[in-house]
Amino acid sequence: DSGVTQTPKHLITATGQRVTLRCSPRSGDLSVYWYQQSLDQGLQFLIQYYNGEERAKGNILERFSAQQFPDLHSELNLSSLELGDSALYFCASSAGTSGYEQYFGPGTRLTVT
Amino acid sequence: AQSVAQPEDQVNVAEGNPLTVKCTYSVSGNPYLFWYVQYPNRGLQFLLKYITGDNLVKGSYGFEAEFNKSQTSFHLKKPSALVSDSALYFCAVRDGTNAGKSTFGDGTTLTVKP
Repeated sequence: DSGVTQTPKHLITATGQRVTLRCSPRSGDLSVYWYQQSLDQGLQFLIQYYNGEERAKGNILERFSAQQFPDLHSELNLSSLELGDSALYFCASSAGTSGYEQYFGPGTRLTVT
Repeated sequence: AQSVAQPEDQVNVAEGNPLTVKCTYSVSGNPYLFWYVQYPNRGLQFLLKYITGDNLVKGSYGFEAEFNKSQTSFHLKKPSALVSDSALYFCAVRDGTNAGKSTFGDGTTLTVKP
């Protein structure tokens, strides 16, 4: 167990809908990272937050947004969902901003129908 | 831009034999290199990293990796494979300036047969 929790574990929704994925980092970790893992695109870095502020941005679509709250948990919002958004979404955390050792949660499997 | 290549989709070894999972990278500046392992229906687990220092890096579960700057490689190795090492392995790279923005390879499935 990495200490990173993600909810929900599975999510099934229809195209055009909006969903929110939640992540709680390991105790004491200030950085949260979001990744998308799909068969066709592999593991893609989406975005990093450090202590509430956006720190690095990857291949995140404009339809997606994230935030980190004062209690350090983070939410990834996915809107206007498309079939291609079906994937496993991972959250990871690390103590600092460097991300040298990231601890991954179990993931949320999103299925868009 | 940074990139990682894991040239083998699948590596098969017999238990007790040495294993190597290959990784090559491209990055501007000094590379920060990582290996992660993913078991079925689980998140990734950190194995080891190279930031600076000795080219041979030792990590979790008896794994090690060798950084070779001239060949831009960071191959994962283990002297004696276990059946329980069977999993999906990811190599990742980032440069020193880009915070947590790591680029991951496509992954290599390691199968260790008894």
